[in-house]
Amino acid sequence: DAMVIQNPRYQVTQFGKPVTLSCSQTLNHNVMYWYQQKSSQAPKLLFHYYDKDFNNEADTPDNFQSRRPNTSFCFLDIRSPGLGDAAMYLCATSRDIGALSTDTQYFGPGTRLTVL
Amino acid sequence: KQEVTQIPAALSVPEGENLVLNCSFTDSAIYNLQWFRQDPGKGLTSLLLIQSSQREQTSGRLNASLDKSSGRSTLYIAASQPGDSATYLCAVYLGGAGTALIFGKGTTLSVSS
Repeated sequence: DAMVIQNPRYQVTQFGKPVTLSCSQTLNHNVMYWYQQKSSQAPKLLFHYYDKDFNNEADTPDNFQSRRPNTSFCFLDIRSPGLGDAAMYLCATSRDIGALSTDTQYFGPGTRLTVL
Repeated sequence: KQEVTQIPAALSVPEGENLVLNCSFTDSAIYNLQWFRQDPGKGLTSLLLIQSSQREQTSGRLNASLDKSSGRSTLYIAASQPGDSATYLCAVYLGGAGTALIFGKGTTLSVSS
């Protein structure tokens, strides 16, 4: 089945040690999103890629970076994780930016990040 | 700035009960509103999407309504089952390039058998 895949599902890192989370999709969608969701909080958009165009949310810390080497893959890099970065990180896709007016985003299962 | 609020934060009901989850948003200029389900430690699954021109959408035992002018939506779950236990989030889409979905914090539902 076509889907959004995130690896790993659980990631433990040490304070300040760089970590990379991975997302891949078989939907051939143009847009990929990264959300951060802390416990009992709403998912918060960090950034998105529209094809190769990167769009950063204004309040996303510089500590968070992203790469999209091709249509299928997108990576979230946290350069120096702090204790406050422990969260669930959700990857999502949509066919197009305008597609959200009639269609949903498709979410992966998430990666739970623990920072020790 | 658009804010989405969901009340209650948590709800416990016995199996078979009909229930209503509430969602409110501050800016009525939305393209659509969606209800998602999130199981513990999992991603989000879209349940219903209501366009701004629509009043309600139905899928099986779920019915979602939208009153854009008052900034409110409800998700009605009929004859609840233990398998309905999950967190339900609503999200609005404002449109325009560079925007995504704005979520509420969710209502965590527990249905006991």
